[in-house]
Amino acid sequence: DAGITQSPRHKVTETGTPVTLRCHQTENHRYMYWYRQDPGHGLRLIHYSYGVKDTDKGEVSDGYSVSRSKTEDFLLTLESATSSQTSVYFCAISDLGGDTQYFGPGTRLTVL
Amino acid sequence: GQQVMQIPQYQHVQEGEDFTTYCNSSTTLSNIQWYKQRPGGHPVFLIQLVKSGEVKKQKRLTFQFGEAKKNSSLHITATQTTDVGTYFCAGRDDYKLSFGAGTTVTVRA
Repeated sequence: DAGITQSPRHKVTETGTPVTLRCHQTENHRYMYWYRQDPGHGLRLIHYSYGVKDTDKGEVSDGYSVSRSKTEDFLLTLESATSSQTSVYFCAISDLGGDTQYFGPGTRLTVL
Repeated sequence: GQQVMQIPQYQHVQEGEDFTTYCNSSTTLSNIQWYKQRPGGHPVFLIQLVKSGEVKKQKRLTFQFGEAKKNSSLHITATQTTDVGTYFCAGRDDYKLSFGAGTTVTVRA
C-alpha cells in the first residue's frame, strides 16, 4: 500500500463542534483528494488539491474547508459539524491528476 | 459535470457462477478505472483502460472499454468468496475522478 495515513481513524463528536481530519502521505504525490462515502452514493469528492496552497471544490463541498501547507499534509475541516456529515471519509493521492488514486484507510466520523 | 452510472447496485452470486457489472457515462471518457473495496476496507486500484474497445484480463476478471468510450464492464467468471466487496468504476474528469455508486457483491457458498 502507498504511504498514506489518516487521523483520527474514528471520531464521535457533537453537532456544532469543529472537526479536523488529517491526511498524511510519504509518496510526494502532487494531488490529494478528500471523499466521503455513504451507502448508495459511492465516493463523492469534497475537495482536492493540486499543489501546496492550491485547492478546488468537489461536488459536495458545502460545510467543508481544506488546507494544504505542505506537500505531505492535507487537512479537512468541518467548521460546525452537522449530523448529515456523519460518514466515512477517505483521503486519496495521485501523482498525476485523473490518474490512478491510492486511498488511505479512512476515518469514520459520527456527529451526534 | 460528468456523471458515471453503475449497475446493478447489488449482485448476489452463487459461488462458481459468472456475473457482470456495468458502468455508463454521460460524456466520452479519456480513461476508465476500476477499484475494489473489501468490506471494512478502502478502495484499491484494479486497472485502467484507455483505448476504445480495449479489453484487459486479470485472472478471472475481464474489463472492457466500449467503442464510444462511454461505457465499461467488469465480468467475473467462476466467482469465489474472495470476490466479495464493492467494485467501483471511475471516469477521468480533468484532474479528478468521477466515481460510480459501486456494485456490492455478495457470494453464496
